[in-house]
Amino acid sequence: EDKVVQSPLSLVVHEGDTVTLNCSYEVTNFRSLLWYKQEKKAPTFLFMLTSSGIEKKSGRLSSILDKKELFSILNITATQTGDSAIYLCAVNSSNTGKLIFGQGTTLQVKP
Amino acid sequence: GAGVSQSPSNKVTEKGKDVELRCDPISGHTALYWYRQSLGQGLEFLIYFQGNSAPDKSGLPSDRFSAERTGGSVSTLTIQRTQQEDSAVYLCASSLVPGGLGGYTFGSGTRLTVV
Repeated sequence: EDKVVQSPLSLVVHEGDTVTLNCSYEVTNFRSLLWYKQEKKAPTFLFMLTSSGIEKKSGRLSSILDKKELFSILNITATQTGDSAIYLCAVNSSNTGKLIFGQGTTLQVKP
Repeated sequence: GAGVSQSPSNKVTEKGKDVELRCDPISGHTALYWYRQSLGQGLEFLIYFQGNSAPDKSGLPSDRFSAERTGGSVSTLTIQRTQQEDSAVYLCASSLVPGGLGGYTFGSGTRLTVV
């Protein structure tokens, strides 16, 4: 059965800290891995990763995929209170049209 | 439209009643998905529509749940004889490329509370 596991499930840090969020997966016919940020209701798209070893970067956020070890990390440097959210990892398999989501990591950044 | 629109944004219903949740995807997006998110949980896949193909209903939790998509656009998720465990946020998403390869766009969801 396809599955996506995120860790930690929750994390509390202070502004300025760097955090690393983990996502491991087991899926047949992997096609892509996506990261989303969810603050209220609607998850917003952050990154899509399809190739190993190529870092995607957007401001203080970056992400990389390891297709051999079947995991991805999302890094956030110099965290701000506005980074507080649930971060969702999802994997797309070419067998189906759906994304399989992990449980999410709840990040709280304290001032 | 500019984004994925869902209605209502909040719904409180009595146990045993039927509810209908609506999703209006981004114009031109051929793929439409329904997910459910219970408190503190990740997103649980419910159903996926792609063009005129038969929908993937593999995630529907029981036969009380059904969904349709009319004219390849608006979708309605119907829950019959609601139960308290149906309480959750129901999220709809659409994508231009089948399988969401370019990333889904999510709506703001419908928070369903069954009392």
